[in-house]
Amino acid sequence: SQTIHQWPATLVQPVGSPLSLECTVEGTSNPNLYWYRQAAGRGLQLLFYSVGIGQISSEVPQNLSASRPQDRQFILSSKKLLLSDSGFYLCAWSNGAGGQETQYFGPGTRLLVL
Amino acid sequence: SQQGEEDPQALSIQEGENATMNCSYKTSINNLQWYRQNSGRGLVHLILIRSNEREKHSGRLRVTLDTSKKSSSLLITASRAADTASYFCATVLYSGGGADGLTFGKGTHLIIQP
Repeated sequence: SQTIHQWPATLVQPVGSPLSLECTVEGTSNPNLYWYRQAAGRGLQLLFYSVGIGQISSEVPQNLSASRPQDRQFILSSKKLLLSDSGFYLCAWSNGAGGQETQYFGPGTRLLVL
Repeated sequence: SQQGEEDPQALSIQEGENATMNCSYKTSINNLQWYRQNSGRGLVHLILIRSNEREKHSGRLRVTLDTSKKSSSLLITASRAADTASYFCATVLYSGGGADGLTFGKGTHLIIQP
């Protein structure tokens, strides 16, 4: 069976500090991978998606970046965090034609920037 | 921009009653998905209904889709306390990159009173 992991679960970081959130998927190969952000009281916003190693597409311009160094690893990064980066970050994967099928979400990372 | 909008934003009912949530979207779709999110956790896929389907069942869940009105509804019958969660509808955000992300509404927060 497939599983998706995210860490850390919770993170408190000062403004201007760097960020690295990691997501890994087990039990499947060549998945489509996604990063979403959920701000308080709002829906999910797609940040990045990837169809393969080294292939990253961005949906929203921001000070965040994503990388996919391995087939089942997806990393969300920032060089300098802003207060507005606070939120709940969710990683997801899917097979097949991307969003045409079910997406499976990880447990999320709650980020608080102070 | 958000594609789906859930209604109502919040719903509180007694255990055993039925809960109905609605979703409206703006553009044509291939499918529409419903997800559940328990407080502070990742999203769980509930059901996917394709554009050529009008109704779909899964256990106590019943989803309808009216493409002429660009709307969908989620019915939870015989609600239980464990159904307390936020419910989101999601449609594909066309990205043209072969791994389309999903666009979500702000969700309906459902509270089941014991």
